[in-house]
Amino acid sequence: DAGITQSPRYKITETGRQVTLMCHQTWSHSYMFWYRQDLGHGLRLIYYSAAADITDKGEVPDGYVVSRSKTENFPLTLESATRSQTSVYFCASRGQRSSYEQYFGPGTRLTVT
Amino acid sequence: AQSVTQLGSHVSVSEGALVLLRCNYSSSVPPYLFWYVQYPNQGLQLLLKYTSAATLVKGINGFEAEFKKSETSFHLTKPSAHMSDAAEYFCAVSDLGDDKIIFGKGTRLHILP
Repeated sequence: DAGITQSPRYKITETGRQVTLMCHQTWSHSYMFWYRQDLGHGLRLIYYSAAADITDKGEVPDGYVVSRSKTENFPLTLESATRSQTSVYFCASRGQRSSYEQYFGPGTRLTVT
Repeated sequence: AQSVTQLGSHVSVSEGALVLLRCNYSSSVPPYLFWYVQYPNQGLQLLLKYTSAATLVKGINGFEAEFKKSETSFHLTKPSAHMSDAAEYFCAVSDLGDDKIIFGKGTRLHILP
């Protein structure tokens, strides 16, 4: 059971480049989430999706784009990366009928130079 | 809006001593409450959750938490700390009907030999 995976695990990119972080889950969970984790800020929600083709903004959506054409995938794109987007990014998912707990992927450490 | 406060960004305890990590939430209506643990370079793992059943919730690795409505608290405890408990711990809350979870800023637990 693969669960929830993220790729790449580590990425270094330059300011202004487009970067896509991938998230894949094998549980057929309805909900998927993208967070960023920064020292002093804890986890902040970027975007989330309640189902395929349904997405909504979280706390810090600016500079990010998401799509969800298939239930199992939820890619996060940085259209033009900035140094302030250097962070660790976590994807999470939860089922429709769960008691709201989310299950997390291993994270992607992104450095923007 | 719902909020979560974790008292102490760093807590140090001796091996074998009681672990107490504090969490307070803001909602007047009992929400869903969670504790997650994050080991270095890993994603978040669910330790335990409160979903309006028993007020004392037992989780993995010997941890437990007690929901106290009068104090709007959900403190995490473990009777005897082990070196392997060194990690960052996040308290989180979700209101009924809300798709999202709000995370506290985290408490890093250090275990002293």
